[in-house]
Amino acid sequence: AQSVTQLDSQVPVFEEAPVELRCNYSSSVSVYLFWYVQYPNQGLQLLLKYLSGSTLVKGINGFEAEFNKSQTSFHLRKPSVHISDTAEYFCAVSDPTASKLTFGTGTRLQVTL
Amino acid sequence: NAGVTQTPKFQVLKTGQSMTLQCAQDMNHEYMSWYRQDPGMGLRLIHYSVGAGITDQGEVPNGYNVSRSTTEDFPLRLLSAAPSQTSVYFCASTRGDEQFFGPGTRLTVL
Repeated sequence: AQSVTQLDSQVPVFEEAPVELRCNYSSSVSVYLFWYVQYPNQGLQLLLKYLSGSTLVKGINGFEAEFNKSQTSFHLRKPSVHISDTAEYFCAVSDPTASKLTFGTGTRLQVTL
Repeated sequence: NAGVTQTPKFQVLKTGQSMTLQCAQDMNHEYMSWYRQDPGMGLRLIHYSVGAGITDQGEVPNGYNVSRSTTEDFPLRLLSAAPSQTSVYFCASTRGDEQFFGPGTRLTVL
């Protein structure tokens, strides 16, 4: 079985400040890892994914994440956030078939001036 | 391509009523799935389908039925709605390692 833990339910940050959203996972098999973003009253949009290879993954909107196998983590980072980044962010894990996703409980990023 | 579409966007039901949430995709994806999203719980898998005629249960299947008669459509049925089914429902279709989500249906059961 797989599970995902997002350690922070809410992260307040000022515009242009850096941010890190934390994600830890557990699995008995190799995994694929994903970050999704959900803007208010919308569906989920893929930010980035780790399948294999380089542990540093770059996604859309200036976000990046680093896969750390020894710490079973996949933290999401952005060096300078904008007001428009205000949204809920979900970390997810799947087995290598990528057919069934297990989601974390989400982190609400609130960017203010 | 319209991608993944869901109807209705909003629905209010009374306890015991039945309804069907519609989901369609025009990307010819074999794999489709239904999730529910509840505050503080993320998204949980209800049912999924690996192709026409094949469905299986996810993490929280109780109270829901699905069928898959065509590649394009994957409806979710609530036979007797309960307040515990108040939630936002998302349909998704999968291509390779990526899932594409619909805009969601917000369901309230009174």
